[in-house]
Amino acid sequence: EPEVTQTPSHQVTQMGQEVILRCVPISNHLYFYWYRQILGQKVEFLVSFYNNEISEKSEIFDDQFSVERPDGSNFTLKIRSTKLEDSAMYFCASSESRLAGVDNEQFFGPGTRLTVL
Amino acid sequence: DAKTTQPTSMDCAEGRAANLPCNHSTISGNEYVYWYRQIHSQGPQYIIHGLKNNETNEMASLIITEDRKSSTLILPHATLRDTAVYYCIVRVRMDSSYKLIFGSGTRLLVRP
Repeated sequence: EPEVTQTPSHQVTQMGQEVILRCVPISNHLYFYWYRQILGQKVEFLVSFYNNEISEKSEIFDDQFSVERPDGSNFTLKIRSTKLEDSAMYFCASSESRLAGVDNEQFFGPGTRLTVL
Repeated sequence: DAKTTQPTSMDCAEGRAANLPCNHSTISGNEYVYWYRQIHSQGPQYIIHGLKNNETNEMASLIITEDRKSSTLILPHATLRDTAVYYCIVRVRMDSSYKLIFGSGTRLLVRP
């Protein structure tokens, strides 16, 4: 069964450093997303991406964040200058469609645990 | 904010049915009810969704009341691997936004 994959599973970085989190969405999916979950808190939406541009972003997704689909398979989240409060699980998701009720279930990857020291 | 209300936690015995309720009293006619679950710290997993009719798939059944103000997710024969946090989410059809808004969910514990 096709699945979303993410690398690395755990990333440790120093505050102020840049990190790139990588995702490989399901191959025929067209919509891509990043969510994050700070330990013990809710899953929060960060950004959605379609047709090589951002469709929507949350207040969390400030200028320190960027997303890119550098080739036909990868989808990346970059944090330019990490802060302590960026420590969280970051989940990538993808869906085939956008319309509710029409094959648009979002499939999530296993996540990358980011630890900022 | 999430538009649903769920109990904080529930438990059931292994092999029995787990019935997880969700209130969505402000749901409108074009909104779907989705259920996801999150096992430990894994990525959320899609379970089922519905609009107004009851739905069943290989994982669960979804019962939606006639007025659509509440629904129940049924795991017919719960196993220990069903221990997870279950999220009930409403989604607007034809919405230009497709973000999922997660609430706190229901923590289901399946007892041996």
